Amino acid sequence: GENVEQHPSTLSVQEGDSAVIKCTYSDSASNYFPWYKQELGKRPQLIIDIRSNVGEKKDQRIAVTLNKTAKHFSLHITETQPEDSAVYFCAAFILSGTYKYIFGTGTRLKVLA
Amino acid sequence: ETGVTQTPRHLVMGMTNKKSLKCEQHLGHNAMYWYKQSAKKPLELMFVYSLEERVENNSVPSRFSPECPNSSHLFLHLHTLQPEDSALYLCASSHGTSLSGELFFGEGSRLTVL
Repeated sequence: GENVEQHPSTLSVQEGDSAVIKCTYSDSASNYFPWYKQELGKRPQLIIDIRSNVGEKKDQRIAVTLNKTAKHFSLHITETQPEDSAVYFCAAFILSGTYKYIFGTGTRLKVLA
Repeated sequence: ETGVTQTPRHLVMGMTNKKSLKCEQHLGHNAMYWYKQSAKKPLELMFVYSLEERVENNSVPSRFSPECPNSSHLFLHLHTLQPEDSALYLCASSHGTSLSGELFFGEGSRLTVL
């Protein structure tokens, strides 16, 4: 069935360093890939997204890259800050059969001061 | 109040109880969702309503019963649950009917089944 694999499951970085989270999807028809951030005890919130007609998108310190051929996309956070500590979820919008999001298992990012 | 609100925030119930989770969105969205969030597992889609019609039922056990009386409200009725149903239940809404819009989540209802 459709699935999204996300790695790593946990990531610790020093403040100021970069963090990279990678996801691989199985449905080649997927055309939209959002990233959600969930701080402890709070709701998931969209932080950045990318559509399949674009290879890279950047918003200040965060960027997302997409490789359609390899069916993987990545989240890049530069100059990490303590407030970046959270769980990050990638997702792919599935077009085959049913229309829905498939989420990755999440990455717990800890930014060490 | 704006956004997506869920009540109750915490719920403890026995396996023979009947309870309901409530979700309300104040964003004028057309689609509403129930997701289950368990530790170390992906967010799991349970139900989707678009324009108050159920368009997705993701092989969810019948002990979970959704209800969408209008585009602003969504309920999840619970009965004879199992301990493995303990999880955070997230409601979400999105704009439009394509179901590919940004998901706006509530803060969740933490359910514990004893």
